[in-house]
Amino acid sequence: ETGVTQTPRHLVMGMTNKKSLKCEQHLGHNAMYWYKQSAKKPLELMFVYNFKEQTENNSVPSRFSPECPNSSHLFLHLHTLQPEDSALYLCASSQTRDFTYEQYFGPGTRLTVT
Amino acid sequence: GDSVTQMEGPVTLSEEAFLTINCTYTATGYPSLFWYVQYPGEGLQLLLKATKADDKGSNKGFEATYRKETTSFHLEKGSVQVSDSAVYFCALSTNFGNEKLTFGTGTRLTIIP
Repeated sequence: ETGVTQTPRHLVMGMTNKKSLKCEQHLGHNAMYWYKQSAKKPLELMFVYNFKEQTENNSVPSRFSPECPNSSHLFLHLHTLQPEDSALYLCASSQTRDFTYEQYFGPGTRLTVT
Repeated sequence: GDSVTQMEGPVTLSEEAFLTINCTYTATGYPSLFWYVQYPGEGLQLLLKATKADDKGSNKGFEATYRKETTSFHLEKGSVQVSDSAVYFCALSTNFGNEKLTFGTGTRLTIIP
């Protein structure tokens, strides 16, 4: 049983569609993250939010738009994606105030852009 | 910048074999080191960690020792099982209030009966 949930688990979208990925954490953490996992590439950190404030944007294209309305919820809004954006998108959360730096991951959303 | 280098996979072993997955790192300061595991169809799970030199992290029969002199954190298990088949990621975080993890590329492990 994971404390981080992600919906949907699978998503197929066309390049002109707009969709959103949702992440929710039930662990009382203050930081949330979006990662992109592509085959044969290291895990790519996309965005970091700490206490609802964005603290990291790793040069992510503007067709990915994150939203963090509170410390428990994180969204990734998608529009006019490219086929190379097909990947597994992972959400994670952590409690930064205890300095353990452990991140807890959700199961991911498998995105296919056609 | 910080980086993590893991041995290339995939690794295939027979059940009950000894496992080593190599991990070396480059970092400023004194990082914390982690091994995460990803089972098929799931997200990453923390397997073990070590926060200072000579610490040994252990969990589920897996061990890794933080070696500052060789900047390494190799993962070992004495007798692997089919259920250990997964992708293993080495990662680090620098201890300056930085909430980011730097991951290696992952090593796919397959255990055959």
